[in-house]
Amino acid sequence: AQSVTQPDIHITVSEGASLELRCNYSYGATPYLFWYVQSPGQGLQLLLKYFSGDTLVQGIKGFEAEFKRSQSSFNLRKPSVHWSDAAEYFCAVGARGGYNKLIFGAGTRLAVHP
Amino acid sequence: GAGVSQSPSNKVTEKGKDVELRCDPISGHTALYWYRQSLGQGLEFLIYFQGNSAPDKSGLPSDRFSAERTGGSVSTLTIQRTQQEDSAVYLCASSPQLAGGTDTQYFGPGTRLTVL
Repeated sequence: AQSVTQPDIHITVSEGASLELRCNYSYGATPYLFWYVQSPGQGLQLLLKYFSGDTLVQGIKGFEAEFKRSQSSFNLRKPSVHWSDAAEYFCAVGARGGYNKLIFGAGTRLAVHP
Repeated sequence: GAGVSQSPSNKVTEKGKDVELRCDPISGHTALYWYRQSLGQGLEFLIYFQGNSAPDKSGLPSDRFSAERTGGSVSTLTIQRTQQEDSAVYLCASSPQLAGGTDTQYFGPGTRLTVL
């Protein structure tokens, strides 16, 4: 069965520091992979997605993620965090095929210290 | 409108009452999804619509939950005889249903349901 694990429930970083949020997935083939961000009281906004091709994916707001098949991982990174990045981040896997039923991880809540 | 809209934004109801949650997808989006976000279960898939039909209802937690979509547009999620464990944020998403599923789901702001 498909599953997504985000090992870190909470992460706190200082503004300007680098960030890496971990995501591991379980899927029988190469999945479609997504990172979404949710700010308080808001819906989910797509940061980036991986379908095929280059394993390093660039997204919005300066985020990037790297698909590593050998590690079943799709970690999210940002070289320098801004206070406005404080939010909850969700990794998700979608089934290949005609539609994308997303399976989400539990989320990582990011706090940013000034 | 520019994005997915949902109404109401908040709903408080008493245990045993029925509720209806509405989703207006982005115009022209063929696919529509409902998800539920709760403290204990995280984000869970509920149901997927392709046009007006629902080929995947596998996430609906019980027969108290039902959903329909009309005119290939608006969708309504109905919960009958609500229970306290139904308290959650119900999220709707739509996508253009590109070939092979390589499309992005756009989420609405959600409806926060509280069952007293």
